Amino acid sequence: ETGVTQTPRHLVMGMTNKKSLKCEQHLGHNAMYWYKQSAKKPLELMFVYSLEERVENNSVPSRFSPECPNSSHLFLHLHTLQPEDSALYLCASSQDGGANYGYTFGSGTRLTVV
Amino acid sequence: AQTVTQSQPEMSVQEAETVTLSCTYDTSESDYYLFWYKQPPSRQMILVIRQEAYKQQNATENRFSVNFQKAAKSFSLKISDSQLGDAAMYFCAYRGGGTSYDKVIFGPGTSLSVIP
Repeated sequence: ETGVTQTPRHLVMGMTNKKSLKCEQHLGHNAMYWYKQSAKKPLELMFVYSLEERVENNSVPSRFSPECPNSSHLFLHLHTLQPEDSALYLCASSQDGGANYGYTFGSGTRLTVV
Repeated sequence: AQTVTQSQPEMSVQEAETVTLSCTYDTSESDYYLFWYKQPPSRQMILVIRQEAYKQQNATENRFSVNFQKAAKSFSLKISDSQLGDAAMYFCAYRGGGTSYDKVIFGPGTSLSVIP
């Protein structure tokens, strides 16, 4: 088991739906991240939470809404998405910004917007 | 702004042979960290190896080693005795110094195939 668990593994949603992605880590890390991975593009950092406080919001459209209720859980709430939002959404966690041990990633949620 | 370039979109290697994946980066910082991550078909990105910029000695982890050339801003990954399980996307990543949480930049990746 990875230490960072993401659910669901696959998600298909219509443009008018509302859904949420969940990420959970039991590594005792103090920072969590959402990344978007699209085909033919580098990983795009979306949000960073440090000690449950958002420290980075990388110009992400408001149809993506993160939530970090505690240091072990991170959510990404989705509403009125567009087809171009279809991608692999990766969650990661780290201790102190990841300099010493890098990031620990989950297996991602493959999102398809129809 | 920092950038990370991987000039080889795809590479292949014969099983048991050695392959080198290239990575270059651009930065004006003197203190930073470099990483190689592997993403197999299971999609989970796994840290392969890490290098601190202030250390001249190249990092090594079992069959994986790096050639870190700070002046040239080059950070290549060498995989020795390639195995079928090494087939994956490999991402080079740069992290700036300090405790900033937003300074990790990933390259576009190199897809490695291992031929039996």
